[in-house]
Amino acid sequence: NAGVTQNPKFQVLKTGQSMTLQCAQDMNHNSMYWYRQDPGMGLRLIYYSASEGTTDKGEVPNGYNVSRLNKREFSLRLESAAPSQTSVYFCASLTSGEDTQYFGPGTRLTVL
Amino acid sequence: QQQVKQSPQSLIVQKGGISIINCAYENTAFDYFPWYQQFPGKGPALLIAIRPDVSEKKEGRFTISFNKSAKQFSLHIMDSQPGDSATYFCAASKGSNYQLIWGAGTKLIIKP
Repeated sequence: NAGVTQNPKFQVLKTGQSMTLQCAQDMNHNSMYWYRQDPGMGLRLIYYSASEGTTDKGEVPNGYNVSRLNKREFSLRLESAAPSQTSVYFCASLTSGEDTQYFGPGTRLTVL
Repeated sequence: QQQVKQSPQSLIVQKGGISIINCAYENTAFDYFPWYQQFPGKGPALLIAIRPDVSEKKEGRFTISFNKSAKQFSLHIMDSQPGDSATYFCAASKGSNYQLIWGAGTKLIIKP
């Protein structure tokens, strides 16, 4: 049981490049989340998915898109990366009827 | 708009002492208040959580005190140990989607 996995662990991009951050969970959870963590600011919600095929914007969705193609996987895409998107990105999942979010190990992204 | 304010930013406590971290919230619709613990290079992990129908919850050495009228809640770590050294985040959410609003975090160092 791997829990929540994220790939890649580290990534360096140039301004304007695109990339997709991958997240998968093997706990049969319904809800999945993408957060970004910046120094001194805690975590901020980017996007949320309550179930397969549904997504909702969080606090800071600008510059990002997401896909929830199946129950296991929730990907985050940066179409044209900007230095302001340098951050640590965390994926989390939660099952219906419970309140605990389980987090992945994070992706550390640097945009030059 | 910072809806959850956390203090202090950093805290140094002697081994065996009591660590206290405070949070204040603005939105009276919040109905779930978790504390997460994060070690360097890892994702956050749920430590303990409370709902506003109780004023205190204890799990081992960790206690949440909740003051609904003051819109404040705090984490107390009794008999603090060097292994408790980590960053602690408070958070809050409303409703069943658990879209968490996070505090800025407190870096706790327990001196042996």
